[in-house]
Amino acid sequence: QKEVEQNSGPLSVPEGAIASLNCTYSDRGSQSFFWYRQYSGKSPELIMFIYSNGDKEDGRFTAQLNKASQYVSLLIRDSQPSDSATYLCAVRLQTGANNLFFGTGTRLTVIP
Amino acid sequence: GAGVSQSPSNKVTEKGKDVELRCDPISGHTALYWYRQSLGQGLEFLIYFQGNSAPDKSGLPSDRFSAERTGGSVSTLTIQRTQQEDSAVYLCASSPGLSYNEQFFGPGTRLTVL
Repeated sequence: QKEVEQNSGPLSVPEGAIASLNCTYSDRGSQSFFWYRQYSGKSPELIMFIYSNGDKEDGRFTAQLNKASQYVSLLIRDSQPSDSATYLCAVRLQTGANNLFFGTGTRLTVIP
Repeated sequence: GAGVSQSPSNKVTEKGKDVELRCDPISGHTALYWYRQSLGQGLEFLIYFQGNSAPDKSGLPSDRFSAERTGGSVSTLTIQRTQQEDSAVYLCASSPGLSYNEQFFGPGTRLTVL
């Protein structure tokens, strides 16, 4: 079983809609959770991180964490064509360990 | 300011040859990480360095892979006797320290082993 799993997609949503990206992880000791965006041919860039149960909002982005269900999601409101990219979920397994375990990513296409 | 830089951007080599990939982290960042990303795969952790501490090599896939970091700054990832399955994009990232949440990624080196 992989540490971090994501639906590879592709996920297509119309412009202005809400895009919902989901991620599950296997290690209950996981402490921190990250969403990275990766445009084609580019390197990943951090969008948000979350480590407490519940929601964390930043502009059009909301990260949701449910540790009991080992589930983290990213919602993108008012999706724009510029949001079209691959979204990578990453998990830091335990406090003090610094490397991240990444999912394979979900490719999102926002249709104008 | 300057971000993480990597060189070369592309490397094509023949099976069995050795290759060296270079990473220049953001100035002042004490933590440095190497990952690789194969086609259709997520990022796979390889190794990280933190200051003068011994590196965490737990992600290196075989003893053909090694890395060093000189003077707490520039890092070199060396792959000996390359195999076709080593073909991937090798990404370097740095962060200001262990407890800092964001890792800043470089543009990567695309390695193709023929």
